[in-house]
Amino acid sequence: KAGVTQTPRYLIKTRGQQVTLSCSPISGHRSVSWYQQTPGQGLQFLFEYFSETQRNKGNFPGRFSGRQFSNSRSEMNVSTLELGDSALYLCASREGAAGLGYTFGSGTRLTVV
Amino acid sequence: TQLLEQSPQFLSIQEGENLTVYCNSSSVFSSLQWYRQEPGEGPVLLVTVVTGGEVKKLKRLTFQFGDARKDSSLHITAAQTGDTGLYLCAGARGGYTGNQFYFGTGTSLTVIP
Repeated sequence: KAGVTQTPRYLIKTRGQQVTLSCSPISGHRSVSWYQQTPGQGLQFLFEYFSETQRNKGNFPGRFSGRQFSNSRSEMNVSTLELGDSALYLCASREGAAGLGYTFGSGTRLTVV
Repeated sequence: TQLLEQSPQFLSIQEGENLTVYCNSSSVFSSLQWYRQEPGEGPVLLVTVVTGGEVKKLKRLTFQFGDARKDSSLHITAAQTGDTGLYLCAGARGGYTGNQFYFGTGTSLTVIP
């Protein structure tokens, strides 16, 4: 069974640009969540999608958005990048609403210069 | 303010020593997970505990969920260099949209050969 796949693994962008990150969950997992991880803040929840609908949202500005497709694949977009957006972005999937833990992807390391 | 506080934040020990990591909160959780994360990778789920007072063993790792389901501990016996990594606890609270997960602040463990 393939794991959670995130692309790209590394990304360097310039301040002010926008970026799209992709996540393919484990087959059969309909819930996809996104997290931002930085050394200072740890793992911060961005949002969760379930069956193409955003179900939960963390405390991030509107520059951070996401979507989920009918095949459960998900994308997140960050517009008008800031230096502080440099982080490891992690995607995680789980089975349905009563899951007892996540399976994480390897993450996308975003560096904003 | 983090819902889950982990201690210690950093731990450096010799191979063969024992250690305990704590995960504390004033909130009640329906379940609690422990993850281990290696540099440049996503967290990997180690265990889920559900019942207050539950103890689970995974080889040299022992996990305990507090009686009141507000705290947990991870004990490692005879640490090995392969145990090096960032240990994260995550508590689940059931909202109407399904379980929401809150991650702890993390404990960075280094096992020295």
